[in-house]
Amino acid sequence: QKEVEQNSGPLSVPEGAIASLNCTYSDRGSQSFFWYRQYSGKSPELIMFIYSNGDKEDGRFTAQLNKASQYVSLLIRDSQPSDSATYLCAVIRRNNFNKFYFGSGTKLNVKP
Amino acid sequence: GAVVSQHPSRVICKSGTSVKIECRSLDFQATTMFWYRQFPKKSLMLMATSNEGSKATYEQGVEKDKFLINHASLTLSTLTVTSAHPEDSSFYICSAREEWQGAYSSPLHFGNGTRLTVT
Repeated sequence: QKEVEQNSGPLSVPEGAIASLNCTYSDRGSQSFFWYRQYSGKSPELIMFIYSNGDKEDGRFTAQLNKASQYVSLLIRDSQPSDSATYLCAVIRRNNFNKFYFGSGTKLNVKP
Repeated sequence: GAVVSQHPSRVICKSGTSVKIECRSLDFQATTMFWYRQFPKKSLMLMATSNEGSKATYEQGVEKDKFLINHASLTLSTLTVTSAHPEDSSFYICSAREEWQGAYSSPLHFGNGTRLTVT
């Protein structure tokens, strides 16, 4: 079982819709969760992070964490074509802050 | 804040030569930096963890004699690809995190990457 799993996609949504990206993780000791966006040919850039159960909002982005079910989601409201990219989920366990477990990413296509 | 700078962004070299890639944390100190490799349409692959003042920790299957890592200061790590061959052509990305005091991890920040082409 992989540490972090994401649906590879592509996930296609029309412009203006809400895109919902999901990530599940295997270790219950995981405590820090990160979402990155990676455009084709570029390096990943941090979107947001979440530590506590519930929702965390930053502009058009909302991260949702459910530790009981071991999943973390990223919602993108009012999706724009410029949001088309691969979204990576990363997880850290509480006993090693230097070990980031990355999912393989979900490719998002936002169609105009 | 938390900017990681990586140079060069693109390099083309001939087979058998060596290439050095620099990674700097510009506005924070990093005792640990991370080197990733990524093939087209594939996920990130951690190559090694660079530790300031000590030897790097390499992931299984990564040749330490081929990918030399030096973390000489709290803001600089270098990756040297020695005797490069065409199969070493890839996208190399460094990253680092600020070291917070507390129960939760700070995020990883990535450099812009280096696209290496070995001819």
